[in-house]
Amino acid sequence: KQEVTQIPAALSVPEGENLVLNCSFTDSAIYNLQWFRQDPGKGLTSLLLIQSSQREQTSGRLNASLDKSSGRSTLYIAASQPGDSATYLCAVNELGAQKLVFGQGTRLTINP
Amino acid sequence: EAGVVQSPRYKIIEKKQPVAFWCNPISGHNTLYWYLQNLGQGPELLIRYENEEAVDDSQLPKDRFSAERLKGVDSTLKIQPAELGDSAVYLCASSRTVNEQFFGPGTRLTVL
Repeated sequence: KQEVTQIPAALSVPEGENLVLNCSFTDSAIYNLQWFRQDPGKGLTSLLLIQSSQREQTSGRLNASLDKSSGRSTLYIAASQPGDSATYLCAVNELGAQKLVFGQGTRLTINP
Repeated sequence: EAGVVQSPRYKIIEKKQPVAFWCNPISGHNTLYWYLQNLGQGPELLIRYENEEAVDDSQLPKDRFSAERLKGVDSTLKIQPAELGDSAVYLCASSRTVNEQFFGPGTRLTVL
């Protein structure tokens, strides 16, 4: 059974810092991996999608990497801003199952 | 392009009462998903539809939960009777392919 773990569960940093969120998964048989952002009381917003054949994807200040063989992904946020405060969720799309298996999320707080 | 629409956004009911949630996916998306998100956790898949066929309902508690997608577009998720432990956010998502899933804002259910 696929299990996804995100570390840390919560992170608080001052504005302007670069930071890394970690995600690990137990089964490397995946279509792709997605990083989502969730604001309190809101739905999920897709940030980046990495196909299983790719190593990384970038969007603005965000960069996500994927090492499928070791079952790890990282989300790098450059020059963090208070507006980046949210919960970040990692999810893998299981090969053959077409369902997302989520981690429990990292709650990020950027302090002005 | 309109996103995934869900209603109601919030629902408060007494235990043992029935409740229903509605989802309208993005136009042209043949795959529709219902996820359950408990507080502080990542979403978990309840059921996946390909057009009007439920192709994965293995995680749906069939004693009290039911779902339908009669014309392969809108979908309804029902709970009857609701229990205290059903308090959670119910998320609907849709996709055109096996790739990116797009999520609605969710319905926050409180069972008293």
